[in-house]
Amino acid sequence: KAGVTQTPRYLIKTRGQQVTLSCSPISGHRSVSWYQQTPGQGLQFLFEYFSETQRNKGNFPGRFSGRQFSNSRSEMNVSTLELGDSALYLCASSSKDRGYEQYFGPGTRLTVT
Amino acid sequence: KNEVEQSPQNLTAQEGEFITINCSYSVGISALHWLQQHPGGGIVSLFMLSSGKKKHGRLIATINIQEKHSSLHITASHPRDSAVYICAVGVTGNQFYFGTGTSLTVIP
Repeated sequence: KAGVTQTPRYLIKTRGQQVTLSCSPISGHRSVSWYQQTPGQGLQFLFEYFSETQRNKGNFPGRFSGRQFSNSRSEMNVSTLELGDSALYLCASSSKDRGYEQYFGPGTRLTVT
Repeated sequence: KNEVEQSPQNLTAQEGEFITINCSYSVGISALHWLQQHPGGGIVSLFMLSSGKKKHGRLIATINIQEKHSSLHITASHPRDSAVYICAVGVTGNQFYFGTGTSLTVIP
């Protein structure tokens, strides 16, 4: 099976802009989770989608949103970008029959200038 | 308040040494995961465990649910083991809390 893919891999945006990141899960995986990784805060859970519904949400402001499509592909959107949003954004897919073990994508490196 | 505490933060070992990384957590969990992250960012799940002990090759993970503590051991360490090791605890559903990671360098 193909692994989790994320696009784009690198992105440079300006403060105030918005950005959309995409994640394609492993075939058959219905759960997609998003994470933010920064040098200061480490890895932090953003949200999880399952069957097109947000099932869990971390402690991030409403500028961070996401959605999942019927084919389980997911997007996350960050509006009104701030310098502090510069981070590696990772998505992971999982399935119930594997105990929700997380399979990570390579990440999208977002730089906000 | 950190739900997950990892130690040590940094670790340097000689090739062949036995390595232990510790993880303590303060929340009720559904499972504990050990992750490996190489330079460049890619993360690989090494273990997912909710009780007892698991072994993959030279890697061993243990968990003590009563004491809320887990350890990751690497036997006969090798330079290719150099990476950041992250402890993650799964709580309700698929929500996770992460440790700050242990940066391991194995010197030939």
